[in-house]
Amino acid sequence: QLQLQESGPGLVTPSETLSLTCSVSGASITSGDFFWGWVRQPPGKGLEWIGNIYSSAITYYNPSLKSRLNISADTSRGQFSLNLASVTAADTSIYFCVSSKTEGVPVAGAIDFWGQGILVIVSS
Amino acid sequence: EIVLTQSPGTLSLSPGERATLSCRASESVSSSFLAWYQQKPGQAPRLLIYGAFSRATGIPDRFSGSGSGTEFALTISRLEPEDFAVYSCHYYGNSPTFGGGTKVEIK
Repeated sequence: QLQLQESGPGLVTPSETLSLTCSVSGASITSGDFFWGWVRQPPGKGLEWIGNIYSSAITYYNPSLKSRLNISADTSRGQFSLNLASVTAADTSIYFCVSSKTEGVPVAGAIDFWGQGILVIVSS
Repeated sequence: EIVLTQSPGTLSLSPGERATLSCRASESVSSSFLAWYQQKPGQAPRLLIYGAFSRATGIPDRFSGSGSGTEFALTISRLEPEDFAVYSCHYYGNSPTFGGGTKVEIK
């Protein structure tokens, strides 16, 4: 059974970089069978797709976050990471790491596994 | 960028009633890339429907998806107590996006 677990600081200072890691168990992060990604949700609000990574190196980003965003994979540790630069209070959210099965081409399928989520507050 | 608009924002119904939730896309999208999720307080979303019509593993058949083009719907044929939650639609094609959600609450 695939399991995802987020880790990282729960408090980030404005203008700094938000860094989170997702540990994957039950599947290889190098597998071409999955896309690995991030979704966030401001408290009490809707979901926002952040981006994903495929085959450890091919990335797809939300255009509204692209200039501040980097998603990478550490294949030796079976982890992938999110780095979001120059954060503001608007980046305060629950951050979920997620996975989707690959559907041909390759194209990401629907998100079918979610981590439990980690609340990150941006505040001085 | 595709925008998904869900309506109504809140649906107040009683157990046993039928729920119909709407998801409208700002432009036509392939039904192959439309999903629905259920989310309860303090939990991660759970995949219900993918490809607009297909139920995910373990999802009861009282949940069904329909639609095409710009209009999609999630129907819960008879609400069970555990179905009261927030439901979100999701386009997972090029430049994925989520709808704002519909809360189904007990009347």
